[in-house]
Amino acid sequence: EAGVTQFPSHSVIEKGQTVTLRCDPISGHDNLYWYRRVMGKEIKFLLHFVKESKQDESGMPNNRFLAERTGGTYSTLKVQPAELEDSGVYFCASSPLIAGGPDTQYFGPGTRLTVL
Amino acid sequence: AQTVTQSQPEMSVQEAETVTLSCTYDTSENNYYLFWYKQPPSRQMILVIRQEAYKQQNATENRFSVNFQKAAKSFSLKISDSQLGDTAMYFCAFSESYNTDKLIFGTGTRLQVFP
Repeated sequence: EAGVTQFPSHSVIEKGQTVTLRCDPISGHDNLYWYRRVMGKEIKFLLHFVKESKQDESGMPNNRFLAERTGGTYSTLKVQPAELEDSGVYFCASSPLIAGGPDTQYFGPGTRLTVL
Repeated sequence: AQTVTQSQPEMSVQEAETVTLSCTYDTSENNYYLFWYKQPPSRQMILVIRQEAYKQQNATENRFSVNFQKAAKSFSLKISDSQLGDTAMYFCAFSESYNTDKLIFGTGTRLQVFP
């Protein structure tokens, strides 16, 4: 079974440009999460999809970030326009939808974003 | 707000020895979940072990075990018989689980296992 995949693995852009990150969750996983780790700091939650709906987007830093999950399959995270502080590693994770508590979240390899 | 603290940025251990990674957290909730995730160099993050707060028995997975002290809000990870493949970044994480199952992470501990 394929794991969570993310594309691209690395992205280097200039301040003011737009970047779109993609995440393909494990097939059948209705939960999809985005996290970000800025260099040397903790991994921070950005948002959570259940199928195509945004369940929790409390971690989105500002309106330059737009996440979508059309059809409840893959998800994209667009940053427009990118700023220097957006640099970091963006992780995607997925898990099945179950009752009674959180199931294990399976993480992708991350996308390393560098904004110059 | 819930927070997770890992006070050891780096640790090292010799192969076959035992090492303990510390984690403390802060929450006002009574029911929650705690996790240790491992991220080997250039590889994906994987779950090592999880603990439900309502369970008093410490979780164990082969060479990995936790010391869960609910009153002290402490959740340390013990790795026995350390192996070179245990070299990785270890993250402690918390999930409230009721309103949202988002993970709240600590800053991580980089563990190096030496031969």
